[in-house]
Amino acid sequence: RKEVEQDPGPFNVPEGATVAFNCTYSNSASQSFFWYRQDCRKEPKLLMSVYSSGNEDGRFTAQLNRASQYISLLIRDSKLSDSATYLCMTGNTGKLIFGQGTTLQVKP
Amino acid sequence: GAVVSQHPSWVICKSGTSVKIECRSLDFQATTMFWYRQFPKQSLMLMATSNEGSKATYEQGVEKDKFLINHASLTLSTLTVTSAHPEDSSFYICSASSRAGNTGELFFGEGSRLTVL
Repeated sequence: RKEVEQDPGPFNVPEGATVAFNCTYSNSASQSFFWYRQDCRKEPKLLMSVYSSGNEDGRFTAQLNRASQYISLLIRDSKLSDSATYLCMTGNTGKLIFGQGTTLQVKP
Repeated sequence: GAVVSQHPSWVICKSGTSVKIECRSLDFQATTMFWYRQFPKQSLMLMATSNEGSKATYEQGVEKDKFLINHASLTLSTLTVTSAHPEDSSFYICSASSRAGNTGELFFGEGSRLTVL
């Protein structure tokens, strides 16, 4: 079993749709959780950290479920510019592991 | 915000040559840097953790004699792909954390795309 798993997609959604991604992790000792966005042939950029209480940044909401060991990312009112690969990252001191990424395509 | 610079962005080399990639933290000191590799349409795979002043920690399956890592200062780590072969062609990305314990946000270099002919 991979340490961090994501549904690779692709998720094809129309503009304005709401889309949610999940990411499961196997290491119960994981302390840090992040969502990154990666555009084609570029380096990942931090989208948001994920806090235990859940957090929201504009159209993006991240949640953590420690009991079930997954994090989620919800994107509301999708824009064409949201098309990218979304990578979750989890870990603890000294080691941070990426999921394989979920590809999102927002269509007009 | 914190910036990590990686050089070169692109490199094409002949099979059997060695290639060095530099990763610099520009406005913070990074005791630990990470090296990732990404093949097309795949995720970033952690290759090794580079610790300033000590030996790097390699992930299972990554040959330490082939991928030499040197972290001689708090702002510079280098990855040398020795005797590169076409199967080493990939996107190599470094990252660094600005926080002790590496529990904070990772800042990524721009990546280095290696093509071995």
